[in-house]
Amino acid sequence: SYELTQPLSVSVALRQTARITCGGDNIESKNVHWYQQKPGQAPVLVIYRNINRPSGIPERFSGSNSGNTATLTISRAQAGDEADYYCQVWDSSWVFGGGTKLTVL
Amino acid sequence: EVQLVESGGGLVKPGGSLRLSCAASGFTFSSYSMNWVRQAPGKGLEWVSSISSSSSYIYYADSVKGRFTISRDNAKNSLYLQMNSLRVEDTALYYCARGGGVIGRYAMDVWGQGTTVTVSS
Repeated sequence: SYELTQPLSVSVALRQTARITCGGDNIESKNVHWYQQKPGQAPVLVIYRNINRPSGIPERFSGSNSGNTATLTISRAQAGDEADYYCQVWDSSWVFGGGTKLTVL
Repeated sequence: EVQLVESGGGLVKPGGSLRLSCAASGFTFSSYSMNWVRQAPGKGLEWVSSISSSSSYIYYADSVKGRFTISRDNAKNSLYLQMNSLRVEDTALYYCARGGGVIGRYAMDVWGQGTTVTVSS
């Protein structure tokens, strides 16, 4: 079965750029979606199909996908961006990455 | 307002059954695939099951195949998850999430707040 690998945690200084990776075999051939989940809340879609932002998601959130790694980039990180982030792909079934906890210092 | 509201969670003994429901509003329910995703306490997201808009296509995670049954009633704008032979490891918060017109092509763009299932003796 297909596996997605995310770092357990990422830290970023306030107003700097955070990058959260999602590794998978030839992941560039798949559409990657990203979700943000704050404590006690349901997940929120922040990037769909690699690079697209749903309405209401700040332009500071962007995505890329190349080779074996997809990346969620959060520019000018804010305290409110602290959350768990999950990547997701379809490979005959839905697969989620293990999640990355983003800490804004 | 687009909304999904789950219900039906509770405490059940191992081997027992439970039926979850998800009431949809604010969009044309019959045009979208739907999903169940769960999250065990302190753990990550785990996909459980998906159903296409007309119920023609249904998928299950290996961990629940043969025990859980997903279904929908488009006339009632409702999604269901029948859970049988429940195990302790099924304990989780169960989310209902909207997909797109085709399973696997679209992300899950709307989520409910979840309903809690606890399996314990």
